[in-house]
Amino acid sequence: GDQVKQSPSALSLQEGTNSALRCNFSIATTTVQWFLQNPRGSLMNLFYLVPGTKENGRLKSTFNSKESYSTLHIRDAQLEDSGTYFCAAEAGPGNTRKLIFGLGTTLQVQP
Amino acid sequence: EAAVTQSPRSKVAVTGGKVTLSCHQTNNHDYMYWYRQDTGHGLRLIHYSYVADSTEKGDIPDGYKASRPSQENFSLILELASLSQTAVYFCASSDGGYAEQFFGPGTRLTVL
Repeated sequence: GDQVKQSPSALSLQEGTNSALRCNFSIATTTVQWFLQNPRGSLMNLFYLVPGTKENGRLKSTFNSKESYSTLHIRDAQLEDSGTYFCAAEAGPGNTRKLIFGLGTTLQVQP
Repeated sequence: EAAVTQSPRSKVAVTGGKVTLSCHQTNNHDYMYWYRQDTGHGLRLIHYSYVADSTEKGDIPDGYKASRPSQENFSLILELASLSQTAVYFCASSDGGYAEQFFGPGTRLTVL
């Protein structure tokens, strides 16, 4: 968790509001992935990012490799957005490349 | 869509017993991974493989062995299960390095 730091660790939102989650990296990384772990425990892919920005519906994510951070913006939060959001940095050379995960941000969306 | 399946989905094992967790992918991916998830630790890499018949150690390999008999199958073996190995185990696959990883549904292992 030290190499990939997520903030905040927990968050509560009212339905319809917006928020941003952040990951800071203390390792050199070339790509970032964002996942949502739903209350049943399944890990769902949200974004796979090279430096830049991607958008998918109400979600938008940015990876800034020069400043070593990534953000995930949630717009118009819905109840089904509840769960734990993980970011993961891909690091390492050649065939030893691997994902290093943060500890997650637990989001609860309230009606 | 990526398809990674794991079996069993949950298991209770006794301390000192042997446990084998299986993973199967139909993505034609070269890379496969085993992670464990513990409360407060996120996901940590145990073993991975980038080609059949070869495995590599991840960040926390002690107490675990891995086997990759074919491109589609990747097993995690606990020869002597211990209480500290109680966790949720996830398998993943990716199409080479620098590629998106797709996860299976997880296996909840309880060692008593």
